[in-house]
Amino acid sequence: EVQLVESGGGLVQPGGSLRLSCIGSGFTFTSYSMNWVRQAPGKGLEWVSYINSNSRTIYYADSVKGRFTISRDNAKNSLYLQMNSLRDEDTAVYYCAREGGVGWELLVWGQGTLVTVSS
Amino acid sequence: QSALTQPRSVSGSPGQSVTISCTGTSSDVGGYNYVSWYQQHPGKAPKLMIYDVSKRPSGVPDRFSGSKSGNTASLTISGLQAEDEADYYCCSYAGTYTLVFGGGTKLTVL
Repeated sequence: EVQLVESGGGLVQPGGSLRLSCIGSGFTFTSYSMNWVRQAPGKGLEWVSYINSNSRTIYYADSVKGRFTISRDNAKNSLYLQMNSLRDEDTAVYYCAREGGVGWELLVWGQGTLVTVSS
Repeated sequence: QSALTQPRSVSGSPGQSVTISCTGTSSDVGGYNYVSWYQQHPGKAPKLMIYDVSKRPSGVPDRFSGSKSGNTASLTISGLQAEDEADYYCCSYAGTYTLVFGGGTKLTVL
């Protein structure tokens, strides 16, 4: 079964840091680009970051640029999101999502991990 | 990176058809044939329903169809069923490895 499982969410104070992880299984992790997408409580989806299969191409949404860092370890089938200088508005469920391999669709999604930024 | 514009809500009775619009610009929806649509039930992860404007992934019923004209994409659901009640999000490639989502549309099956 193709699967993505996120972990690492939790409660953090404004200005703090958190590292999210996402482990892929059931597919050849090294062959696919990956993304992080977030959803604030009661709000819509927001694309956060993209990393290609060999980590040579990385992009971020303007809202997180300079504060978040995406990375991957293909040997561990793992995707990461290092989040620094966290703000209240970063509170959201964070999903990792795998491309479909055709265009720019996000075919496989994890169950999400909740990050709450609050004092 | 402004969000695409979707109606906040649409509704229809079982068996009817509904269409959800998604309006962007020439820098996203109008500039690429990479519009996708996602269905999200409460508390669940999004599910891909349409990609590349009008293609359906394996397992998605052919009641779901997509199209695009200019800067506006559309998702049509025909033969509405109770289980179609969910939030729907459009998404477009916006160039330079970035994606932009719509604000989401809540579909109510009456």
